Amino acid sequence: KNQVEQSPQSLIILEGKNCTLQCNYTVSPFSNLRWYKQDTGRGPVSLTIMTFSENTKSNGRYTATLDADTKQSSLHITASQLSDSASYICVVSGWGAAGNKLTFGGGTRVLVKP
Amino acid sequence: DTAVSQTPKYLVTQMGNDKSIKCEQNLGHDTMYWYKQDSKKFLKIMFSYNNKELIINETVPNRFSPKSPDKAHLNLHINSLELGDSAVYFCASSQDRQSYEQYFGPGTRLTVT
Repeated sequence: KNQVEQSPQSLIILEGKNCTLQCNYTVSPFSNLRWYKQDTGRGPVSLTIMTFSENTKSNGRYTATLDADTKQSSLHITASQLSDSASYICVVSGWGAAGNKLTFGGGTRVLVKP
Repeated sequence: DTAVSQTPKYLVTQMGNDKSIKCEQNLGHDTMYWYKQDSKKFLKIMFSYNNKELIINETVPNRFSPKSPDKAHLNLHINSLELGDSAVYFCASSQDRQSYEQYFGPGTRLTVT
């Protein structure tokens, strides 16, 4: 069964500090892994997308890593800002006859405090 | 300009009613999706259309019927609403069925009382 598990479920950090979110998956066959940011009351917005051959990808202060062997990914937020308060969702895509089929993690809720 | 828009943003209705949620994308994409986000925040795909053709139909009750009048629109009609249908429904689109990038709408919060 395809699953994506994220940890921690929630996280409180002080503004300016760094944090790392974890994602473990069992999706097969693997196509790509994405990290989305979802602000309260809004739809998810893509931060990074990594395929099998990519180990790391950055988007500003967000850096994602991927270990396809251990089926783990992390999202590192550097020098957090208040606007980083959101849910961060790990999404793994597997190939199917209909194209990319996404399996979503439950998200990590990040709260940045001043 | 809003890339993927949904209406209404909020919908409160009683059990047994029939309701529709509309989605439009102005990105020129071929593929559109409907997702359901439950109270635990898990997003699950319900349907996907590619150029008005249904390509993904997950295990969703027959009460849910998507309709795509053209490739820029994907509407979701729900018959005989139940309490368990309460959730946030997200529409999304991608360039084509193989594209990695999906763009999500703002969501429609459906509350069934």
